Amino acid sequence: DAGVIQSPRHEVTEMGQEVTLRCKPISGHNSLFWYRQTMMRGLELLIYFNNNVPIDDSGMPEDRFSAKMPNASFSTLKIQPSEPRDSAVYFCASSTRTGQGYYGYTFGSGTRLTVV
Amino acid sequence: GENVEQHPSTLSVQEGDSAVIKCTYSDSASNYFPWYKQELGKGPQLIIDIRSNVGEKKDQRIAVTLNKTAKHFSLHITETQPEDSAVYFCAASPAGYKLSFGAGTTVTVRA
Repeated sequence: DAGVIQSPRHEVTEMGQEVTLRCKPISGHNSLFWYRQTMMRGLELLIYFNNNVPIDDSGMPEDRFSAKMPNASFSTLKIQPSEPRDSAVYFCASSTRTGQGYYGYTFGSGTRLTVV
Repeated sequence: GENVEQHPSTLSVQEGDSAVIKCTYSDSASNYFPWYKQELGKGPQLIIDIRSNVGEKKDQRIAVTLNKTAKHFSLHITETQPEDSAVYFCAASPAGYKLSFGAGTTVTVRA
């Protein structure tokens, strides 16, 4: 298995532009998570999906952020308009969720976003 | 929700010595405790995990212990090597619920 695949690996954009981050989870995993990592705040959970349905988006910082999961093999995180304070590394993770918990929680390599 | 605290935030050890990282959690319903290692420029990678019905688990130089009564768990790395230098995260989750992560420990192994 190729693991969780994220694209792009690096993104540099100007303030005010729209940014779209992409994620392909591990085949067979039914849960997908978007995290943001910064030096100041560590790993923050932004939103997560079970069976393509958003379960908890309380970590999404503001309305400029949106996430979709149109099918089991693809998800996007969009920032519109982007601001310099959005600069961070964004990780996608996927896992299998059963009644007993989340298993095989696997992270992608991340997208390093720089907004100038 | 679950709150995980991790100590220390940084740890410097001499090559060959042991490293210990400790975490506490708040939700007594938590039953799954994984540890992740993050190297520079990469995503966190699962290195070992433990479930609440087990008190200790070992995998080569890495071991994790769990004390459910005290609600704390620890990662032990023995015979540290330079390649063990990384950021380590603990996490906890109640059954059927998402993981909550600690703030991370930066481990530096001095040659």
